[in-house]
Amino acid sequence: EVQLVQSGAEVRKPGETLKISCKASGYTFTNYWIGWVRQMPGKGLDWMGIIYPGDSDTRYSPSFQGQVTISADKSSGTAYLQWDSLKASDSGIYFCTTPIVGDTTRPLDLWGQGTVVTVS
Amino acid sequence: DIQMTQSPSIVSASVGDRVTFTCRASQTIGRWLAWYQQKPGKAPKLLIFKASSLQRDVPSRFSASGSGTEFTLTVSSLEPDDFATYYCQQYDTLVGTFGQGTRLENK
Repeated sequence: EVQLVQSGAEVRKPGETLKISCKASGYTFTNYWIGWVRQMPGKGLDWMGIIYPGDSDTRYSPSFQGQVTISADKSSGTAYLQWDSLKASDSGIYFCTTPIVGDTTRPLDLWGQGTVVTVS
Repeated sequence: DIQMTQSPSIVSASVGDRVTFTCRASQTIGRWLAWYQQKPGKAPKLLIFKASSLQRDVPSRFSASGSGTEFTLTVSSLEPDDFATYYCQQYDTLVGTFGQGTRLENK
């Protein structure tokens, strides 16, 4: 089955580190960009950044540059989102997804189930 | 950054109504625009890509148009399953940006 499966909910204190994961299956992981979208409680969707697992090319939204680190492990087909020092404002739901890139005629449009992060 | 602005923020409508959502980009994005539907507690679902192309398995009551900076999404006859929040998203830049969303509520 073609899917993205994310790691479970996390509760951390401000200043702590965190790394959440997104495991891909059913498609060639290295051939598609994969990224992270934040949704703060009761709010809209914010693109954080994306990575191309084939060569680890990584791009960040200006709002998230320097705030998080996105990485990918080709051997396990897993993407990661990492914080080195969490803030209360990092609380929210984090979705991994395969973004639409370029002039594709068949977007993959995969989404993970979301990981709830609570910093308190 | 390319800013995406959606209007209105909330739409109240009834089953069978025709509704239209609007999305504006702060600079021209060609036709690199997608529309998503999101229900509470769920991941977004892609409805439309490249401004007007219907994603597979999306009902034909959804249609969209536009180019440059002005885009619309229309639902021709609302069904109960359509009450949700709708987001536009530009992908003219590699890391896209979403609009703030339009919530469609049952009148």
